[in-house]
Amino acid sequence: AQTVTQSQPEMSVQEAETVTLSCTYDTSESDYYLFWYKQPPSRQMILVIRQEAYKQQNATENRFSVNFQKAAKSFSLKISDSQLGDAAMYFCAYIKGGSEKLVFGKGTKLTVNP
Amino acid sequence: DTAVSQTPKYLVTQMGNDKSIKCEQNLGHDTMYWYKQDSKKFLKIMFSYNNKELIINETVPNRFSPKSPDKAHLNLHINSLELGDSAVYFCASSRGLAGVQFFGPGTRLTVL
Repeated sequence: AQTVTQSQPEMSVQEAETVTLSCTYDTSESDYYLFWYKQPPSRQMILVIRQEAYKQQNATENRFSVNFQKAAKSFSLKISDSQLGDAAMYFCAYIKGGSEKLVFGKGTKLTVNP
Repeated sequence: DTAVSQTPKYLVTQMGNDKSIKCEQNLGHDTMYWYKQDSKKFLKIMFSYNNKELIINETVPNRFSPKSPDKAHLNLHINSLELGDSAVYFCASSRGLAGVQFFGPGTRLTVL
């Protein structure tokens, strides 16, 4: 079974600094997708970024970028120029191609200090 | 113009009661889901429907019964509520298989 591991239950960063959240996953599939979702205190799940496994280029969305290391099965999220509004739980998630089953990690709680 | 909506957002009820949570999406997606987020924030899929047909049922007790009257709606009915059912329940939808899933605002269920 596929698993997603987020080894950092909590992280903190100073406003305007950069932080990296770690995620590793276990799969024997070659066709899959990886996601980072953000859950602020409002509890709304918000998609941050998506990566297709077949793409070598790392996905970026404004201040958010990933470091996708397929051989190492690692998918870390880098947040640049951190803002107070970035404070949230961040979930890494995996889905096999052709499947509907999204598997989540346990999440990392990010605190942004002013 | 809410994409995925759920009602109610909060639900407080007594053990043994039956309750329903409704979900609607206006994104034109063909696949809908129910997730449970426990007190430790762990999210796990419960059900998935594609074009009104059940695709995934993740060892959820029979007390939970999803119903999809059409592609835009997926409701969750829970019978004989137990204390352990207290959680946040999220509805989500996507276009096709492995499409990006868009989540509703969640329903916080508290069973007393």
